[in-house]
Amino acid sequence: TQLLEQSPQFLSIQEGENLTVYCNSSSVFSSLQWYRQEPGEGPVLLVTVVTGGEVKKLKRLTFQFGDARKDSSLHITAAQPGDTGLYLCAGETGTSYGKLTFGQGTILTVHP
Amino acid sequence: EAGVAQSPRYKIIEKRQSVAFWCNPISGHATLYWYQQILGQGPKLLIQFQNNGVVDDSQLPKDRFSAERLKGVDSTLKIQPAKLEDSAVYLCASSLYEIYTEAFFGQGTRLTVV
Repeated sequence: TQLLEQSPQFLSIQEGENLTVYCNSSSVFSSLQWYRQEPGEGPVLLVTVVTGGEVKKLKRLTFQFGDARKDSSLHITAAQPGDTGLYLCAGETGTSYGKLTFGQGTILTVHP
Repeated sequence: EAGVAQSPRYKIIEKRQSVAFWCNPISGHATLYWYQQILGQGPKLLIQFQNNGVVDDSQLPKDRFSAERLKGVDSTLKIQPAKLEDSAVYLCASSLYEIYTEAFFGQGTRLTVV
């Protein structure tokens, strides 16, 4: 069973600060996704990374996939209150096509 | 393009009662998932369908939970009888697997068992 561990579990920061969320596993993933979920809604896909060492940017969000494809990070620059939510990473292994395993999530609160 | 539709949005039942949730995936998506999400935690996969066949139901409590996907489109998830610990949000998602999987989620059904 592959486990995805996210850290930190909770993050409370002021508007304008930078932050990084980590997603780690002992398993190798063929792809890894990051989702954001707001209260009362389902998770919404932010990005998919598939190549070891890959870096993707989405406005103020930077996603990195580890060289060994076992870990990933999400960095937010100059956080805004609208970034508040539950951030989830999800991985897919090469032997479980179509099956996504989710981390436990990071609850981010950005205060004005 | 219409998203994943789920109903109802909210349900409150007493323990030992039964409940059913419905999901209509994005048109053309062969893979459908049901996830259970406890408040503040990540989703836990209950069952995964590929068309109308079950790919993975290893974490589905089969003594009380059942799911079906008729004709490879809509799906229903049933709990009978419900327990207090079943209180959670039940999320349906669908995906169109190509080289990798990207899941699209519905808004979920919040179940409260009292």
